[in-house]
Amino acid sequence: SQQGEEDPQALSIQEGENATMNCSYKTSINNLQWYRQNSGRGLVHLILIRSNEREKHSGRLRVTLDTSKKSSSLLITASRAADTASYFCATTGTYKYIFGTGTRLKVLA
Amino acid sequence: NAGVTQTPKFQVLKTGQSMTLQCAQDMNHEYMSWYRQDPGMGLRLIHYSVGAGITDQGEVPNGYNVSRSTTEDFPLRLLSAAPSQTSVYFCATTVTYERNTEAFFGQGTRLTVV
Repeated sequence: SQQGEEDPQALSIQEGENATMNCSYKTSINNLQWYRQNSGRGLVHLILIRSNEREKHSGRLRVTLDTSKKSSSLLITASRAADTASYFCATTGTYKYIFGTGTRLKVLA
Repeated sequence: NAGVTQTPKFQVLKTGQSMTLQCAQDMNHEYMSWYRQDPGMGLRLIHYSVGAGITDQGEVPNGYNVSRSTTEDFPLRLLSAAPSQTSVYFCATTVTYERNTEAFFGQGTRLTVV
């Protein structure tokens, strides 16, 4: 079964709005990563947050991590049509990645 | 550096046929893995390898074989293709530095079994 569960499964917003996606996981982690996947393409690494970090920023991306709740959120500010993609969280164990089912984000121009 | 290269990009097989999906990397990473991605399922780990000569099963290994004779190559074999194996397959390498692991993915192979 998937360890990471993203919420919501699908999200549709207007260009310029913020998009927030959540991820929950079940076991202890070393770090948590977020990936983007455009339709029909491979995965692109977005950001990594370590287990001892609570918040991290990268451009328009903001990631939070709450290890007590075993959850993370990805915020994309001032969204653009080009942000339309599926977003996955991934937790890492020893040599393994475990991915969630993803959030499909659609940004309407 | 090419990174992780998968071939072919697209493939159609008949039920019962066998084939090999190729994966090659030029980053000298020890760890390589194969995932399949089905609609609404996210990525699921099929097999992985922590180095040349060492392989292990992932979450959904049935119907697939792997081998790792060199650091660079990690082919995935479908022994007798079934429609349930219609999926997009991704190969990845990972590198661990300090306590963090970063993954590098190929562009994927879209397989259809009819």
